[in-house]
Amino acid sequence: GQNIDQPTEMTATEGAIVQINCTYQTSGFNGLFWYQQHAGEAPTFLSYNVLDGLEEKGRFSSFLSRSKGYSYLLLKELQMKDSASYLCAVPYGQNFVFGPGTRLSVLP
Amino acid sequence: DTEVTQTPKHLVMGMTNKKSLKCEQHMGHRAMYWYKQKAKKPPELMFVYSYEKLSINESVPSRFSPECPNSSLLNLHLHALQPEDSALYLCASSQDSPDTGELFFGEGSRLTVL
Repeated sequence: GQNIDQPTEMTATEGAIVQINCTYQTSGFNGLFWYQQHAGEAPTFLSYNVLDGLEEKGRFSSFLSRSKGYSYLLLKELQMKDSASYLCAVPYGQNFVFGPGTRLSVLP
Repeated sequence: DTEVTQTPKHLVMGMTNKKSLKCEQHMGHRAMYWYKQKAKKPPELMFVYSYEKLSINESVPSRFSPECPNSSLLNLHLHALQPEDSALYLCASSQDSPDTGELFFGEGSRLTVL
């Protein structure tokens, strides 16, 4: 089975940097996804890591360590619109198993 | 076209009604999904269709009945629902199995059961 854990809530200030962690225990590993979900909207794809290391995409970066079962999403130069839930997810068979999600609040 | 389109966006129904949620994608994806999401919770898988065949049913009550008329369309038929079934229902699609690529989500259908 799959077990994924994330902090429930985080708060940060506009312009700052925030790191959202995700730990996972899986039987088999086929990569890890990060999704952003604004309240009442659908999740949107942010990043995919299958190899160890850092993937950078604009203000967002995602890191993976397969040996530690650990990933993080790094958000730089935070903007108010970054207030959302951030979900890490791992594919498992024909399913995506989502973590509980981290609700990020960006304050002015 | 990289969209998954869901209709209706909002639905209010009584416990004796019969209604349907519809989902459409034109990306040539061969896997389509229904997820249920309650407030402040992650999406929970309900059904997976792979190549138009039901491949996963996550022990969903029979008052939810999925249908895949063709590779672009996915329906969720609703009958005799309970108030606790009120949630955001998300449709998603992927190229093939999830380990080959990301899920693309529709905007969801927000269902309220009175």
